[in-house]
Order: sequence, then C-alpha cells, then structure tokens
Amino acid sequence: EVQLVQSGAEVKKPGESLRISCKGSGYNFATYWISWVRQMPGKGLELLGRIDPSDSYIHYNPSFRGHVTISADKSISTAFLQWSSLKASDTAIYYCARSTDYRDYDDYWGQGTLVTVSS
Amino acid sequence: QSVLTQPPSVSGAPGQRVTISCTGSSSNIGAGSDVHWYQQLPGTAPKLLIYANRNRPSGVPDRFSGSKSGTSASLAITGLQAEDEADYYCQSYDSSLFVVFGGGTKLTVL
Repeated sequence: EVQLVQSGAEVKKPGESLRISCKGSGYNFATYWISWVRQMPGKGLELLGRIDPSDSYIHYNPSFRGHVTISADKSISTAFLQWSSLKASDTAIYYCARSTDYRDYDDYWGQGTLVTVSS
Repeated sequence: QSVLTQPPSVSGAPGQRVTISCTGSSSNIGAGSDVHWYQQLPGTAPKLLIYANRNRPSGVPDRFSGSKSGTSASLAITGLQAEDEADYYCQSYDSSLFVVFGGGTKLTVL
C-alpha cells in the first residue's frame, strides 16, 4: 500500500526556522516526484514545488522560489520542506503528494502538516 | 485570482446532476495540457478524482466524469449523494507558471 506519512503539527514564532518531512512507503520512492502543496486557512491549494528524489532535481513555483527549500533523501525515502525564517503568513496546512512527472497529477497524498506561526 | 477559474460554489439535490467548470487559457488547457480533478472532504487531504481529463483512478465511482474542450474542462457528478459534499479543485500545467490549481468549488448537497 502506497503511503505518505508527514511529520506532526508545529507551532513556531516569526523568524524561526523549520523543517517538516514526508516519508514514502509501499513503492520505489526514487521513481516518483514529490510535490509540496500549501493550503492557507480557508483557502485553496497552491503547489510550492516538486522534487525528483532520484537526483534531487527541483521545479519551484516561481511565486515561492527563495522562500522555501525542498529537498529529499532517497536513502530514507523522505522528502523535506524547510524555511529559514518563518512569517505569520506561512501559517497553513502543508501537504506532500506523489506525482509521476513534474507537469503531472498527484495520485497519493500525505495527511498534511499544520504549521502555525505566531508571536 | 487563480489562473484556472472555477465557480466558488455549486449545489444540487440528492440524485441530481451537477457540473463544475474549469476555465483556463492558451498557456494551459488551451495549449493541450491535461486537466486533473481533486476532491477534498472537510478536514481531510485532497484525493485524486479524475486524471488526464477523463480517467478515473481505481475506486472512484463512475458517477464522476471529466471532459475537456478548448480552453475549458468540466467535472460532472451524477446521482448526487450527501457524501459528495466537498471542495473540488481542477489542476493543469501552465507553460508560463508551472502546475496550477483552480480556486476551488464548494459543492453543497441540498
């Protein structure tokens, strides 16, 4: 069974750093792209970027490039999303998902990680 | 303002048919990019509903169908059920922007 299991909810202060994770199982992690998707409170879905775990090549949404960093470690079947300096506007649920191609659909999704940034 | 435009809300009575539109442009749907649809039940992660315009993943009821024409796509739900009440999102690849989602449509079952 394909599963993407994300790390738990986080509460941080503005300016702090954070890394959240997404561990894949039930398939060959290196052969599918991993997407990171943001959903702000009461809002829609936004794709932050996608990474190919086989070589860590990344496609970023131009709107998010420079504010978040996507990475992956195929040896532990885990992808990461990190911030060096959080803002209150980063408060959202972040989902990881699996995709067959950087232009394609996401067929399996993680359960989501709630990130709350508040002073 | 999303690159893919969806109606904010639609509604229908149980058993009825509803459609949700997704309007794009010549840089995404009109350029030949496939359209995919997701269902997000309240408090849960999105779930793939339709991929590549009209294909259903295993386990998705055939009450759900997708179509695409020109710069637009549509999701149709027949035999509406209370459990279909959710948010629905379209998704496509935009040659100028990357992969984009529609703004989402809230389906209410009356």
